[in-house]
Amino acid sequence: GAVVSQHPSWVICKSGTSVKIECRSLDFQATTMFWYRQFPKQSLMLMATSNEGSKATYEQGVEKDKFLINHASLTLSTLTVTSAHPEDSSFYICSAYRDEQETQYFGPGTRLLVL
Amino acid sequence: LAKTTQPISMDSYEGQEVNITCSHNNIATNDYITWYQQFPSQGPRFIIQGYKTKVTNEVASLFIPADRKSSTLSLPRVSLSDTAVYYCLVGDPLRAGNNRKLIWGLGTSLAVNP
Repeated sequence: GAVVSQHPSWVICKSGTSVKIECRSLDFQATTMFWYRQFPKQSLMLMATSNEGSKATYEQGVEKDKFLINHASLTLSTLTVTSAHPEDSSFYICSAYRDEQETQYFGPGTRLLVL
Repeated sequence: LAKTTQPISMDSYEGQEVNITCSHNNIATNDYITWYQQFPSQGPRFIIQGYKTKVTNEVASLFIPADRKSSTLSLPRVSLSDTAVYYCLVGDPLRAGNNRKLIWGLGTSLAVNP
């Protein structure tokens, strides 16, 4: 199967700091990656679509200046939560789209806690 | 919206076959049906994907009737480790676009008992 990794798996930070989360497709190239967030007992909510070599596409209600996305290579996308606040605490999950299978494969997720 | 409807929860016992049905009345002609499994504090894991009729892999089978307005994920002989949330997703996130936005429902919480 396709393997997607995320780093870090969990992070605790102070309010006002920025946190970067990496998403890597380990055994395939992904022109497109997706970023989701998930609150406890709730479903996944798509935040943005990350496109290699171009700007990310954000879902309605997601602040692009707060959630910076960079997709610099075909195997790496990063999500930076800028000036994090406690309400940004959540489980962030990325997925990488595998073109030949027309399927997205998910990373293990990153738990963010903002104090 | 590519909306799906699944039972909120199901209970089963070890060794039984479990069938989880998902309704997707507004499925589009080009939409695939994909099922994922999610354990607490982990990302969803791909289980199976299909377009029509029946698809089988090493972990599950997917049954899709001719009208494609529903699909059934079949897990043979479940074990305790199959306790998880199962999501049915219709469509392609890459081609969803504004008028075919993919929505993740709450999924089906499967509890496998000893």
